[in-house]
Amino acid sequence: AQTVTQSQPEMSVQEAETVTLSCTYDTSESDYYLFWYKQPPSRQMILVIRQEAYKQQNATENRFSVNFQKAAKSFSLKISDSQLGDAAMYFCAYPQGAQKLVFGQGTRLTINP
Amino acid sequence: EAGVTQSPTHLIKTRGQQATLRCSPISGHTSVYWYQQALGLGLQFLLWYDEGEERNRGNFPPRFSGRQFPNYSSELNVNALELEDSALYLCASSPGVSGNTIYFGEGSWLTVV
Repeated sequence: AQTVTQSQPEMSVQEAETVTLSCTYDTSESDYYLFWYKQPPSRQMILVIRQEAYKQQNATENRFSVNFQKAAKSFSLKISDSQLGDAAMYFCAYPQGAQKLVFGQGTRLTINP
Repeated sequence: EAGVTQSPTHLIKTRGQQATLRCSPISGHTSVYWYQQALGLGLQFLLWYDEGEERNRGNFPPRFSGRQFPNYSSELNVNALELEDSALYLCASSPGVSGNTIYFGEGSWLTVV
């Protein structure tokens, strides 16, 4: 069964610094997608970034980028120039069976002013 | 463009009663997903509907059921409510094609007393 593991329950970073959140996954598929979602206190899940496994280039969305290591099944999220509004729970997710998202346990990110 | 909308925002029910939660997907999306997020348990996949049919079901008892209407909106019904059903219920939608991003609504809080 496919699993997603986030080994960091909590992380904190100083405002304007860079932080990296880790995620590993297990799959036997060769073509798939990976996602990072953010859940602020409002509880709405917001898409942060998406990576296609067939692409060697790491996805980037403004201050958010990923380090995708397909062979190692690792998918970390880097947040540059951290802002107070980045404080949230971050979930790594993998679509099992094409559509059903399997989520990691989440990492609570705190931004210190 | 309107996002995924859910109603009600909050719902309080008594143990043994039935709860109905509603979801309207993003225009053009044919797939609707339901997730349960209970405190300390992360996000658990409940149901996936596409084109009016139930396509996949998570590991939940039969008293969790739902349906998708011709306009692609969806209902989640929880019968014989138990205290442990208290959770945030998140609805999401996607265009229904494998690999597409899944977008979430703001959720419905269900409290069972």
